[in-house]
Amino acid sequence: EDKVVQSPLSLVVHEGDTVTLNCSYEVTNFRSLLWYKQEKKAPTFLFMLTSSGIEKKSGRLSSILDKKELFSILNITATQTGDSAVYLCAVGGAQKLVFGQGTRLTINP
Amino acid sequence: SAVISQKPSRDICQRGTSLTIQCQVDSQVTMMFWYRQQPGQSLTLIATANQGSEATYESGFVIDKFPISRPNLTFSTLTVSNMSPEDSSIYLCSVEAGANSYEQYFGPGTRLTVT
Repeated sequence: EDKVVQSPLSLVVHEGDTVTLNCSYEVTNFRSLLWYKQEKKAPTFLFMLTSSGIEKKSGRLSSILDKKELFSILNITATQTGDSAVYLCAVGGAQKLVFGQGTRLTINP
Repeated sequence: SAVISQKPSRDICQRGTSLTIQCQVDSQVTMMFWYRQQPGQSLTLIATANQGSEATYESGFVIDKFPISRPNLTFSTLTVSNMSPEDSSIYLCSVEAGANSYEQYFGPGTRLTVT
């Protein structure tokens, strides 16, 4: 059975800190790994990764995939209170996405 | 990316009743997906809806409980039937960014509370 595990489940840091969120997976017919940010209801797309070792960056966020070790990390540098959210990792297998439990990130001022 | 709208945004319903959620996309898409997110949980795929064919349901979800329509390439509905408090969840539709694209984008969601 396809499985996606995120860690930590919850993280509280101070504004300005750097955080690393982890996602490991076991999926047959791997197609892609996606990161989403969920603040209220709808997850908003952050990154899609399909190749190992190629870092994707968007401002203070970056992510990388290791297809040999079956994991990905999401880094957020110089965190701001607006980064507080649940971060979801999803892995695309055979025509569907499997989601992890999410990491609830809280940034305190 | 596609612009997706959902109606209603939220609703409070009595047990035993049914609610139909609408999902509208601003461009034609082959596949639309319906997810459920129960309180404190992650997203679980209910079914995949292709235009012109019956929806494909995931394990644990059945058509009698969650009938889906897909009348054209820009619209789908999900009905939550004979509701119980356990159906209280956020319901989300999503679409892939394009043909052979693995990116999925989500609608704004419907927050359903069953009393």
